[in-house]
Amino acid sequence: EDQVTQSPEALRLQEGESSSLNCSYTVSGLRGLFWYRQDPGKGPEFLFTLYSAGEEKEKERLKATLTKKESFLHITAPKPEDSATYLCAVQGHNAGKSTFGDGTTLTVKP
Amino acid sequence: DAGITQSPRHKVTETGTPVTLRCHQTENHRYMYWYRQDPGHGLRLIHYSYGVKDTDKGEVSDGYSVSRSKTEDFLLTLESATSSQTSVYFCAISGTGEEQFFGPGTRLTVL
Repeated sequence: EDQVTQSPEALRLQEGESSSLNCSYTVSGLRGLFWYRQDPGKGPEFLFTLYSAGEEKEKERLKATLTKKESFLHITAPKPEDSATYLCAVQGHNAGKSTFGDGTTLTVKP
Repeated sequence: DAGITQSPRHKVTETGTPVTLRCHQTENHRYMYWYRQDPGHGLRLIHYSYGVKDTDKGEVSDGYSVSRSKTEDFLLTLESATSSQTSVYFCAISGTGEEQFFGPGTRLTVL
């Protein structure tokens, strides 16, 4: 059974204070690891897909990295508008199905 | 934004009544999903579809059924709603079965 654990559950940062969110996973045959952003009262919004260890993807102040056991979402010089819940998901051998973690709620104070 | 809508957006119903939630897409994507999201449990897959009339169970499928008679619509039915099914329900679509695009959600309260 695929499993995803995200840490920390909640993270409070000052504007400009860089940090990282962690996503640890166990999966039989990783097909892809996905990061999503979810704002309160809305559906998750897709951010990145990572396929293999060593791969990195960037978008504005966000950079996602992948190892064989975990993924990190690095947030550089965050702004208040980066405040959201960030979800990690993995897809194993069962094509089409993803398993989600519980998310990390990020709050960035001005 | 991906063309995906959910209806109704909010619903309050009584225990034991049937409830149907609708997901409609305009993207012609092959895959469609129903999730529920509860505090402390994250997103949990209820059922998904990989084509018209092709569906499969997720991790929390008990008490739910689905139907997909055409590409654009995916229906989730609670045959006899229970208070434990009070939740926020999200529909998602995917063209490849990898990255998913989510609808705005339906907040269901079962009294």
